[in-house]
Amino acid sequence: EIVLTQSPATLSLSPGERATLSCRASQSVNNYLIWYQQKPGQSPRLLIYDTSNRATDIPARFSGSGSGTDFTLTISSLEPEDFAVYYCQHRSNWPYTFGQGTKLEIK
Amino acid sequence: EVQLVESGGGLVQPGESLRLSCAASGFIFSSPWMSWVRQVPGKGLEWVANINGDGSYKNYVDSAKGRFSISRDNAKNSLYLQMNSLRVEDTAVYYCTRGGSWPSDWGQGTLVTVSS
Repeated sequence: EIVLTQSPATLSLSPGERATLSCRASQSVNNYLIWYQQKPGQSPRLLIYDTSNRATDIPARFSGSGSGTDFTLTISSLEPEDFAVYYCQHRSNWPYTFGQGTKLEIK
Repeated sequence: EVQLVESGGGLVQPGESLRLSCAASGFIFSSPWMSWVRQVPGKGLEWVANINGDGSYKNYVDSAKGRFSISRDNAKNSLYLQMNSLRVEDTAVYYCTRGGSWPSDWGQGTLVTVSS
């Protein structure tokens, strides 16, 4: 089973700042890395699939990059609605697993 | 608009069974893979099982193998998760999702609580 480790656990930033979230895999997942956003009391929302492809209706300020075992979700300029928990997930082989999440909070 | 509505959650005792249902609308249900993903309240996400469009391929996380069974009825636009021999550690919100490897749509979830 591939283990995904996200860092940092909590990221405190202000609106307008740039956010960089990391996801590291215990072995290569090729480019099969996905990112989700989850707000309190809501279901997860697909943001990015296969490393760098934005899902439908996802703003351009969200971008993904990386390869192999190291991946990054970047939010170029934080909006108030971006403060949430972010999860990465791989689909390289079964079982698909998720990272433990990064909480992005307002500083 | 895609809608996924779960039902069937509740409070059960360890060892008991529960069947979750998911009513789907807004897309051609028989086409995509579908999945169940769970989340312990306040914790992270875990993929439980997925199933292909005609129900001929299924995958389960190790903790669910032999106890849970995923199925679908394409005529009824419905996805199911039969959960037997439930354990305290199965307590979670169970989400029905559209997609076998990167769900693009999620239901609101149904809470399953296993407690004596």
